[in-house]
Amino acid sequence: GAGVSQSPSNKVTEKGKDVELRCDPISGHTALYWYRQRLGQGLEFLIYFQGNSAPDKSGLPSDRFSAERTGESVSTLTIQRTQQEDSAVYLCASSLISAWGNIQYFGAGTRLSVL
Amino acid sequence: TQLLEQSPQFLSIQEGENLTVYCNSSSVFSSLQWYRQEPGEGPVLLVTVVTGGEVKKLKRLTFQFGDARKDSSLHITAAQPGDTGLYLCAGPRGYQLIWGAGTKLIIKP
Repeated sequence: GAGVSQSPSNKVTEKGKDVELRCDPISGHTALYWYRQRLGQGLEFLIYFQGNSAPDKSGLPSDRFSAERTGESVSTLTIQRTQQEDSAVYLCASSLISAWGNIQYFGAGTRLSVL
Repeated sequence: TQLLEQSPQFLSIQEGENLTVYCNSSSVFSSLQWYRQEPGEGPVLLVTVVTGGEVKKLKRLTFQFGDARKDSSLHITAAQPGDTGLYLCAGPRGYQLIWGAGTKLIIKP
């Protein structure tokens, strides 16, 4: 597809379970970002991937959160032992950083509900 | 510390009214971006302002970048229900974008 694709669109899980969220970026975009957005709030940076460089994990809120990306393709965000405070929309964005700037293209997000 | 402060946080007005929302910082940015996010969707870029004092128009939306490149404003003329959404400003810091918390705008028919 032409845009960023995220799956699942909605995920309901029980407290303590692990969840895996998937992001398919725009082909050719070297940069990929994961954000968390709580209801009615702005974007909270989680992690950044750029090509084959080491990811910037500085935004991950705890060691229960991890993410992987293979090359410049799909990324997965994993949350282990989910807690109710993890409930939020998780947004993925990809970007082709250039001299023109950093324009981020977002998927529709995964809405995670932890019961 | 929020590097980009957006105001107001929430605005609800009637169709046809004008409004202005603000994005302010104590830091200089090389550019600022404005995104709109509709319910159930990710943010979508509206415009990038690059030059201090720059004014860009997108139909009924007018974006301005402050002379000192520390602030920006978005003015909507004759707001329509389709303008409803969360308006976010963002500025580059290296490979990252620093995001404001957003202005939630509701236009009532």
